[in-house]
Amino acid sequence: DGGITQSPKYLFRKEGQNVTLSCEQNLNHDAMYWYRQDPGQGLRLIYYSQIVNDFQKGDIAEGYSVSREKKESFPLTVTSAQKNPTAFYLCASQEPQINNQPQHFGDGTRLSIL
Amino acid sequence: AQSVTQLGSHVSVSEGALVLLRCNYSSSVPPYLFWYVQYPNQGLQLLLKYTTGATLVKGINGFEAEFKKSETSFHLTKPSAHMSDAAEYFCAVSKTGGFKTIFGAGTRLFVKA
Repeated sequence: DGGITQSPKYLFRKEGQNVTLSCEQNLNHDAMYWYRQDPGQGLRLIYYSQIVNDFQKGDIAEGYSVSREKKESFPLTVTSAQKNPTAFYLCASQEPQINNQPQHFGDGTRLSIL
Repeated sequence: AQSVTQLGSHVSVSEGALVLLRCNYSSSVPPYLFWYVQYPNQGLQLLLKYTTGATLVKGINGFEAEFKKSETSFHLTKPSAHMSDAAEYFCAVSKTGGFKTIFGAGTRLFVKA
């Protein structure tokens, strides 16, 4: 089945540590996204990528970094500069926006501070 | 700039009752509108979408939504709630030529037996 796989499902970060969240898709979608979800705040866009080797900052990119070396992969690194990383992180992919297609989501990674 | 407002962070209905979740949007161009559902500790799943054409859109699990341009609304309804409908629902808006989708803050639906 085609879809998006996020791993791990749960992740714990120590102070001063960088952690990387994995996102893999086999839908052959060009566009991929990372969102942060906090209770009562909906989804906030961290980074997005329209094509391999290109990505753009979203609304809350500070303290995060990404790469897009392969079409199917869009990992997110939460750096030690992100002082409040505890949240639910969602990865999504999409056909080009011009086709008015919805986004497809993974099942998320819940990140907590140790 | 586009934005989405979902009225009511929590809605509670009895099983078998009408479900109405409200969504208003703002957009300077004709919007594309979506409703997604999220179950605990899962990602979002598409319920239905409006792009062009018929303003009454039918989705999965018996849900439907009506695009009302004059009211800038896209409310989600279901005639009879089921216990399995308990979840969080997100309204979203996007536009052609852009790569961003704007999500509302979400409405959590509770269904009472």
